[in-house]
Amino acid sequence: GDSVTQMEGPVTLSEEAFLTINCTYTATGYPSLFWYVQYPGEGLQLLLKATKADDKGSNKGFEATYRKETTSFHLEKGSVQVSDSAVYFCALKPNTGNQFYFGTGTSLTVIP
Amino acid sequence: DAGITQSPRHKVTETGTPVTLRCHQTENHRYMYWYRQDPGHGLRLIHYSYGVKDTDKGEVSDGYSVSRSKTEDFLLTLESATSSQTSVYFCAISESSGSRETQYFGPGTRLLVL
Repeated sequence: GDSVTQMEGPVTLSEEAFLTINCTYTATGYPSLFWYVQYPGEGLQLLLKATKADDKGSNKGFEATYRKETTSFHLEKGSVQVSDSAVYFCALKPNTGNQFYFGTGTSLTVIP
Repeated sequence: DAGITQSPRHKVTETGTPVTLRCHQTENHRYMYWYRQDPGHGLRLIHYSYGVKDTDKGEVSDGYSVSRSKTEDFLLTLESATSSQTSVYFCAISESSGSRETQYFGPGTRLLVL
């Protein structure tokens, strides 16, 4: 079935470090892929998305590229800030059906 | 902002009591969802709706029922709350752009069942 696997956390980085959070997926066809961010006490916010192979989603310095050959959608940021501390969720929406599938989330803490 | 509100935002209740959570949207989206979020499990789908009076079960539907009598409101009911239903509950809508959909979330309801 359709599913998403993302790297376990928690991840702790120093400010200005490079961030990678790995996400791989299992799905038939060409799903849409998403990264959501959740700040403490809040709901999930869409961070970026990609809808077809080789698309790059980007927002607020974060990027992720839809790699169909490796079924991956890794999240990257070149220089993290303390304000990026949050939980990050990878998700997919198959191109058929009505459901979305989420990873278990990766907690990121950025220290000054 | 997809115009999603949830009420109540926080609730404490006792085992065995009924509880209803409300999700309200202002933009006439067809699809609405209820998830629960628990440590180590991420988000799990409880029920979803694809129109007025049209609903379907998700991964963890046991112990929950839903109703959607009008487009803007999607209600989640715990008929007899149990401690295992202590969780944070999120409502979401699905918005289409061309043939692709994106999901947007409400702020969540934190439920404690004693």
